[in-house]
Amino acid sequence: DGGITQSPKYLFRKEGQNVTLSCEQNLNHDAMYWYRQDPGQGLRLIYYSQIVNDFQKGDIAEGYSVSREKKESFPLTVTSAQKNPTAFYLCASTLDSQANQPQHFGDGTRLSIL
Amino acid sequence: SLKIEQNSEALNIQEGKTATLTCNYTNYSPAYLQWYRQDPGRGPVFLLLIRENEKEKRKERLKVTFDTTLKQSLFHITASQPADSATYLCAGGDTGRRALTFGSGTRLQVQP
Repeated sequence: DGGITQSPKYLFRKEGQNVTLSCEQNLNHDAMYWYRQDPGQGLRLIYYSQIVNDFQKGDIAEGYSVSREKKESFPLTVTSAQKNPTAFYLCASTLDSQANQPQHFGDGTRLSIL
Repeated sequence: SLKIEQNSEALNIQEGKTATLTCNYTNYSPAYLQWYRQDPGRGPVFLLLIRENEKEKRKERLKVTFDTTLKQSLFHITASQPADSATYLCAGGDTGRRALTFGSGTRLQVQP
């Protein structure tokens, strides 16, 4: 079945450490997105990519970085500059970059600080 | 930019009743709204999309309305079941970018 796979499911970060969250999709979708979800808050957009080798900052990009070297992969790096990284991270994709497309989500990665 | 507001208080109803969840938007009029279901520890799952020129959309036991005068969307689940218990998220398209703005969601608890 086609879908989005996020790994790992749980991740722990030490002080000063960069960590990378994986997101892979086999839906042949052009656009991919990273959101952060905190308790009682909506999903906040970190970065999005409409096409390979292109990406744009979302509302809370500071302390994060991404790459889009392949259509099916959109990894997110949480850098040491992100001072409050504890959250539930969700990756999503859409068929194309048309704004009304339904988003397909992975099952998230929960990041905690050691 | 677009702001989506949903009731943060959980909605508790009895099985068989109709659940109604509210989504209000401000600052911008989205061309469409989407509704998602999210279970604990899982990613959201798309349910319905309604465009601003559509007053109502139905899918099985689900119904969504879009009132541009009230700047509001209502999400209804008829004949609710305990399996419908989840958090429901409303999202709208924002100006200037190809990404959604999400509300914080409303948790629905259906009691047997």
